Amino acid sequence: AQKITQTQPGMFVQEKEAVTLDCTYDTSDQSYGLFWYKQPSSGEMIFLIYQGSYDEQNATEGRYSLNFQKARKSANLVISASQLGDSAMYFCAMRDGNNFNKFYFGSGTKLNVKP
Amino acid sequence: EAQVTQNPRYLITVTGKKLTVTCSQNMNHEYMSWYRQDPGLGLRQIYYSMNVEVTDKGDVPEGYKVSRKEKRNFPLILESPSPNQTSLYFCASSFLDSNQPQHFGDGTRLSIL
Repeated sequence: AQKITQTQPGMFVQEKEAVTLDCTYDTSDQSYGLFWYKQPSSGEMIFLIYQGSYDEQNATEGRYSLNFQKARKSANLVISASQLGDSAMYFCAMRDGNNFNKFYFGSGTKLNVKP
Repeated sequence: EAQVTQNPRYLITVTGKKLTVTCSQNMNHEYMSWYRQDPGLGLRQIYYSMNVEVTDKGDVPEGYKVSRKEKRNFPLILESPSPNQTSLYFCASSFLDSNQPQHFGDGTRLSIL
């Protein structure tokens, strides 16, 4: 069964607007971690933001925020004031609560920011 | 500079010819892991290591071997590569704390003909 689901293969957003990238996860564990990574066309993986399952507040890092809805098992990434440099592939990932050494990634969302 | 270094970055080879992709990190991380990235599938974990001489299988370990003889190095070995192992491979490392993000290498693109 898929542990991480990203249902948007591709998205467009106008420069300076906000965009939400969806991520739902599947786990029966109480303790787990959720990560978002950015992969530009150059190929490297860049860490953006982390949310722990016990964190009561949504994580924020600059223009990135994570809309964490634990009951719905969703961890959507919100990018505010999109920039052309935000055009990239975005991956949601989960650290397994049962085995902290195992990670699961979604299939990714390709974001294109239009000028 | 803190980094994870993979070599080679690109390799085209033939079926059955053993190959090794090296991975080295300079951040004194206990945890290291290998992933493969395929279109539409995201990244899938191949093997991971919690410390020297401690390794375990991820989701897609078949056809791969790893070793962790030193803390900084975690090579990925394909004993008899096959075309279905053509992929983009990433090595990553982190501290063992559950909230620590992984640092990724720049990737190795393998083509097995």
